[in-house]
Amino acid sequence: DVVLTQSPATLSVTPGERISLSCRASESVDTYLHWYQQKPNESPRLLIKYASQSISGIPSRFSGSGSGTDFTLSINGVELEDLSIYYCQQGNSLPYTFGAGTKLELK
Amino acid sequence: EVQLVETGGGLVQPGRSLKLSCVASGFTFNNYWMSWTRQAPGKGLEWVASITNSGGSTYYPDSVKGRFTISRDNAQNTLYLQMNSLRSEDTATYYCTRGTTTGFAYWGQGTLVTVSS
Repeated sequence: DVVLTQSPATLSVTPGERISLSCRASESVDTYLHWYQQKPNESPRLLIKYASQSISGIPSRFSGSGSGTDFTLSINGVELEDLSIYYCQQGNSLPYTFGAGTKLELK
Repeated sequence: EVQLVETGGGLVQPGRSLKLSCVASGFTFNNYWMSWTRQAPGKGLEWVASITNSGGSTYYPDSVKGRFTISRDNAQNTLYLQMNSLRSEDTATYYCTRGTTTGFAYWGQGTLVTVSS
């Protein structure tokens, strides 16, 4: 199974700053890497698909990059509404797997 | 507007069975692969099952293979998850999701399954 390692586990942020979250795969997943945001008591929502493709309705401050085994989710100008848990997920091979998540909290 | 509405969760004893349903609307159901994903209380996300748009093929992780069965009724726009031989570690919120390798683009509100005696 492909193991996705997300870092850091928790990130303390100040509104307005630019941040980057990491997702590292145990083997290549090409660009079949997707990012999700989950706010407290809500269902997850897809933020970025295929490593870097934007999703309709998602604010442009969210962007993704990477291929193979190393991926990054960036937020350019964090807002209070972005305080959530972020998960990466690979769709390259079965079983589909998720990372353990990165929690954004207020500094 | 895409909507996925799950029902069927509840409290069940270990070893018993439960069947979840998900009614889809707002898109052409029989054009899409569908999946179930779950989240144990306070934990991360785990993919549980996927089914092709025709229902001809199904996929599972080892943790549920042989115990869970995903199926669909394209005439009724409904996705199902039959869960047998339930264990305490199956306790989770179960989400109906649209998509698979392309990413899970849409999620339902989830239905909570609690396995306990």
